[in-house]
Amino acid sequence: EAEVAQSPRYKITEKSQAVAFWCDPISGHATLYWYRQILGQGPELLVQFQDESVVDDSQLPKDRFSAERLKGVDSTLKIQPAELGDSAMYLCASSLTGFTGEQYFGPGTRLTVT
Amino acid sequence: GESVGLHLPTLSVQEGDNSIINCAYSNSASDYFIWYKQESGKGPQFIIDIRSNMDKRQGQRVTVLLNKTVKHLSLQIAATQPGDSAVYFCAENSKLVFGAGTILRVKS
Repeated sequence: EAEVAQSPRYKITEKSQAVAFWCDPISGHATLYWYRQILGQGPELLVQFQDESVVDDSQLPKDRFSAERLKGVDSTLKIQPAELGDSAMYLCASSLTGFTGEQYFGPGTRLTVT
Repeated sequence: GESVGLHLPTLSVQEGDNSIINCAYSNSASDYFIWYKQESGKGPQFIIDIRSNMDKRQGQRVTVLLNKTVKHLSLQIAATQPGDSAVYFCAENSKLVFGAGTILRVKS
């Protein structure tokens, strides 16, 4: 069964350092999402891509976060510099279409900023 | 602003009983809803969805009810099993807004 892949699964970094997460969506899925999930809360959408274009990044802290999906397939989310408050689970999801429909989530990257 | 929220943070049920998890939404224009299940250390997993032109939709052991009058969703799980223990989220898909989640604990 096809799955969304994410790496690394765990990342510990010091504040002010740069960190990057990678996501490979299910083959053929045009829409890719990055979410941040703080412990005890629901996922919060950071950015949504349709192919290589950003559809929604209204909740992305653009002073320190960036995301790209250059060839419309895999994607990278970067934080520079990392802050203590960035400690969270970063989830990637993909879907066939971006309007409605099931999103398939990856296992996430657990980030700890010290 | 728009929000999707859950009434109960934790629900404990006996194995074999039915579970009901509730969700309120504030955007009356919402037209599509999804329930997700998230087990510890994993990403959310799709359970069932419903469009606003429906009041009820059934899956395998799960039923979602939509009451547009009071802007309320519920997820019913029949014959709850230990494997159902997880956090359950409702989401309003057009804006990809998730509620805070309800923890379901199944007692054997």
